[in-house]
Amino acid sequence: DTGVSQDPRHKITKRGQNVTFRCDPISEHNRLYWYRQTLGQGPEFLTYFQNEAQLEKSRLLSDRFSAERPKGSFSTLEIQRTEQGDSAMYLCASRAAGGLGVYNEQFFGPGTRLTVL
Amino acid sequence: AQSVSQHNHHVILSEAASLELGCNYSYGGTVNLFWYVQYPGQHLQLLLKYFSGDPLVKGIKGFEAEFIKSKFSFNLRKPSVQWSDTAEYFCAVRSQGAQKLVFGQGTRLTINP
Repeated sequence: DTGVSQDPRHKITKRGQNVTFRCDPISEHNRLYWYRQTLGQGPEFLTYFQNEAQLEKSRLLSDRFSAERPKGSFSTLEIQRTEQGDSAMYLCASRAAGGLGVYNEQFFGPGTRLTVL
Repeated sequence: AQSVSQHNHHVILSEAASLELGCNYSYGGTVNLFWYVQYPGQHLQLLLKYFSGDPLVKGIKGFEAEFIKSKFSFNLRKPSVQWSDTAEYFCAVRSQGAQKLVFGQGTRLTINP
């Protein structure tokens, strides 16, 4: 499978614990995005990487959230001191660079479903 | 701030019926528009996209959408739905120069055989 992959697919944790999710983008896609989706809602943007640089962060990304893409390939999203409100599906997407005036679409992974008890 | 509104939360149709799902956005500048679909148990997949040119855009599986700039709308249509179209449909907007997609809340479509 050459699509976007995410690991784990499901995570159950207790309130206050730290969790880390991994995203492997499509090979050679230099742009990577994290979104969060809660029940009955569409995905909401969290953060964006171009290569290893984190270029945009949403206000939704509180201090307890941190994302990295150390070598410009896979990315991790860590949530510290999880709260019940963090329960959601965390989606990763990647996109190839476009030319001038060209925007390629984002390809989404299957997501990691987080449940905080 | 940008927002996207999908008027129908849940639509139930019989096979062969015609479909139209509404999508309106709020943003005054140039936008790119998308419809994504999520079949049960699967990833979000792109159905179709609009960047410029002909406002009537054709996508996969017989879907099409029309961009009406004056109405800030990008409604999704299909003349004859199939049971396999049962899924959740998301409209999304990207303002020119931005990276993030802004999604609507989604419309759940159920097709009865």
